[in-house]
Amino acid sequence: QVRLVQSGAEVKRPGSSVKVSCKASGDTFSTYAITWVRQAPGQGLEWMGGIIPILRVSTFAQDFQGRVTITADESTPTAYIELTSLRSEDSAVYFCATGPYDHVSGSFRPDFWGQGTPVTVSS
Amino acid sequence: SVLTQPPSVSAAPGQTVTISCSGSSSNIGDNYVSWYQQIPGTAPKLLVYENNRRPSGIPDRFSGSKSGTSATLGIAGLQTGDEADYYCESWDTRLSAGVFGGGTKVTVL
Repeated sequence: QVRLVQSGAEVKRPGSSVKVSCKASGDTFSTYAITWVRQAPGQGLEWMGGIIPILRVSTFAQDFQGRVTITADESTPTAYIELTSLRSEDSAVYFCATGPYDHVSGSFRPDFWGQGTPVTVSS
Repeated sequence: SVLTQPPSVSAAPGQTVTISCSGSSSNIGDNYVSWYQQIPGTAPKLLVYENNRRPSGIPDRFSGSKSGTSATLGIAGLQTGDEADYYCESWDTRLSAGVFGGGTKVTVL
């Protein structure tokens, strides 16, 4: 059974950075990719990016270009997303999810989700 | 949202509801569709993947289909526990990114 456990809630100042972690169970990283999705209060789901840990290849949505870094440490095994230059609109619950990566289409499929990490950006 | 869903649907217990998801040739038209159920305050749960396949443990009351650039989720034999938000998702080949619908709130009358 795949299990993802995320780090705890964060409160950040505008202009600062936040790094959220996602610890996976078992051999998840050898089989699956990790996707990051966020959800602002009362809003829908927004795809942010993903990483294929065994290939150490990551990708991210254009909306976050220059502000997001996605990494994975196979030894722990834990994935991370770091978002810089935070603004109030970045206040959201950040989810990691794991699932298969399709090498033909380049697509990520988020099957199993972590519990979510609330991030609040406020002065 | 890149994918378009109706904001809400409702029906009485035992009835069937359908939720539409409209996209384009670069997402639904070119890739698989997944559907998720999200009860407020919890993480999304995968209901359907690869257009019409269900993970183990998901009852066959939930069904998915795809035609061209649109997809549909059906929920038969509606139960009070089905009250939740439902999201469609696909990969967008042009954006090289995942895309979600805006979500549909299902209310059991």
